[in-house]
Amino acid sequence: AQKVTQAQTEISVVEKEDVTLDCVYETRDTTYYLFWYKQPPSGELVFLIRRNSFDEQNEISGRYSWNFQKSTSSFNFTITASQVVDSAVYFCALSGRLTGGFKTIFGAGTRLFVKA
Amino acid sequence: GAVVSQHPSWVICKSGTSVKIECRSLDFQATTMFWYRQFPKQSLMLMATSNEGSKATYEQGVEKDKFLINHASLTLSTLTVTSAHPEDSSFYICSARDQSLGFNQPQHFGDGTRLSIL
Repeated sequence: AQKVTQAQTEISVVEKEDVTLDCVYETRDTTYYLFWYKQPPSGELVFLIRRNSFDEQNEISGRYSWNFQKSTSSFNFTITASQVVDSAVYFCALSGRLTGGFKTIFGAGTRLFVKA
Repeated sequence: GAVVSQHPSWVICKSGTSVKIECRSLDFQATTMFWYRQFPKQSLMLMATSNEGSKATYEQGVEKDKFLINHASLTLSTLTVTSAHPEDSSFYICSARDQSLGFNQPQHFGDGTRLSIL
């Protein structure tokens, strides 16, 4: 089965704390793609990152970093020195041939509250 | 970056009305468009996938006669909720992808349409 699990439903942190959002996936595809999207309270979805299954390099973009580990089927997302503007729902997603012609499967989302 | 425009952003109408939602890709060719429905505090539920010039492929449990999808050009797809009822009230989101560039392309999302049926 193709599946994305975000076990953390809600996380609440105080500004400037670091926070890691977990994502575990299941797939039988040998080539697949992983994504993170952000959905702020206004509702629009914002693309954050794409990772190909054959590229296990971790990535850093400003305060955001992603840790991809095929051995544990995880693609975790860390926000360093969180800010109030980071408050949003974050979705991890998976796409591959076995998701049905490369449709994107979304996890349930993690709601992040960053308090001032 | 790639921009997808979705219109209208908010609709309130009476039960029995049909509502059309437009999704446009502004700076790329959207060979494939997706329509999602999102209930409060839940994830995105894929309703259907449409490829330009073809009939949409609906997910199991989604009524195709209720949710009419048209993808007549590489920049425009429409979702029409026919004879809408209060249970159709939801947040509808479209997304688009230029699949000609490869299946690894991210989907770019519209801002969503909040539909409220009275």
